Amino acid sequence: DAGVIQSPRHEVTEMGQEVTLRCKPISGHDYLFWYRQTMMRGLELLIYFNNNVPIDDSGMPEDRFSAKMPNASFSTLKIQPSEPRDSAVYFCASSYRQEEFFGPGTRLTVL
Amino acid sequence: AQSVTQLGSHVSVSEGALVLLRCNYSSSVPPYLFWYVQYPNQGLQLLLKYTTGATLVKGINGFEAEFKKSETSFHLTKPSAHMSDAAEYFCAVTPGHGGSQGNLIFGKGTKLSVKP
Repeated sequence: DAGVIQSPRHEVTEMGQEVTLRCKPISGHDYLFWYRQTMMRGLELLIYFNNNVPIDDSGMPEDRFSAKMPNASFSTLKIQPSEPRDSAVYFCASSYRQEEFFGPGTRLTVL
Repeated sequence: AQSVTQLGSHVSVSEGALVLLRCNYSSSVPPYLFWYVQYPNQGLQLLLKYTTGATLVKGINGFEAEFKKSETSFHLTKPSAHMSDAAEYFCAVTPGHGGSQGNLIFGKGTKLSVKP
């Protein structure tokens, strides 16, 4: 298996633009997680899905952030409009039986 | 509810010295416990995990951890540090068998530096 796949790996955008991050989980995994990591705040859970259904989105910072999982093999995290404080590394992870497997991350820079 | 405390945000050891990274957890049900490692500019990788059975768990790269229920601890050790062990290490907890599955609760991480 190729592991969790994230795209793009790097994204540089300007404040106010829409950003879409993509994730393909490991086949057969029934949970999908979105995390954000910064130097200041460390690793933060934003939202997670079980069988494509959002279970807990309490970590989503504000309404500018939204996440979808239209099917078992694809999820998106969208930021609209983006702000400089959204600059971070965003990780997607998937799990089966409580062991989480992380993707390589998307490094987002908002200018 | 579960929580994790990692003592020491930075630990520095000399090459060849013992590595000890501390993790204490709080859980209302028997936990599953994990250690993850993050190398620079990479995602988190699983080092080892405890679910049930033997309390001393061996992982990759010579690391091991011991589940001590009485101390609510799951410290990570390696007898002899190597330069390649320099990374950030995260302890995590989740409800074990019989608990509701969800996300792992991560500690804030410990950055390990290895001096030549």
